[in-house]
Amino acid sequence: RKEVEQDPGPFNVPEGATVAFNCTYSNSASQSFFWYRQDCRKEPKLLMSVYSSGNEDGRFTAQLNRASQYISLLIRDSKLSDSATYLCVVINSGYALNFGKGTSLLVTP
Amino acid sequence: NAGVTQTPKFRVLKTGQSMTLLCAQDMNHEYMYWYRQDPGMGLRLIHYSVGEGTTAKGEVPDGYNVSRLKKQNFLLGLESAAPSQTSVYFCASTEGLNGATDTQYFGPGTRLTVL
Repeated sequence: RKEVEQDPGPFNVPEGATVAFNCTYSNSASQSFFWYRQDCRKEPKLLMSVYSSGNEDGRFTAQLNRASQYISLLIRDSKLSDSATYLCVVINSGYALNFGKGTSLLVTP
Repeated sequence: NAGVTQTPKFRVLKTGQSMTLLCAQDMNHEYMYWYRQDPGMGLRLIHYSVGEGTTAKGEVPDGYNVSRLKKQNFLLGLESAAPSQTSVYFCASTEGLNGATDTQYFGPGTRLTVL
């Protein structure tokens, strides 16, 4: 079983919709969690960190559920520019990041 | 600041040829990483470095070597290229003050095809 699992999608949603992605991780000792965004044929870029208490950045909300070992990303009022692949990232310890395979989002007019 | 740059952007090799990918960062970051990204596989760590003169193996190190002789550069070598090494290679760096939890800054990638 891969350490970080994501539904690959694609999620097709209309502009203005709310969409949520989940990511599950297998190591209960995982310490840090992030969401990265990757546009087609581009490099990944940090979207937001995920904190235990949950955190919000504009239209984006990230949640962590340690008991069930999953993190989530909620996007409200979707924009066409939100179309991208969203990568879940988990750090267990040390120096290495574990990336999920990504969830593809397409926002349509 | 240019951030993280990678050279070359594209390359086609024949099986058995060797090449070196160069990653350079101008942010004085301590940690540097090499990943490969394949369709349906996500990003996988090849090697990483936590400081000048140090390197360590990641998840998929076989067939690759690395060197970090200068803090700003991290080189990835393919000794004898194989078709299975056809991929997009990303370099990344982090400040290192908080270990791996600092933001990773990625280069634009190198698209490598091995025939």
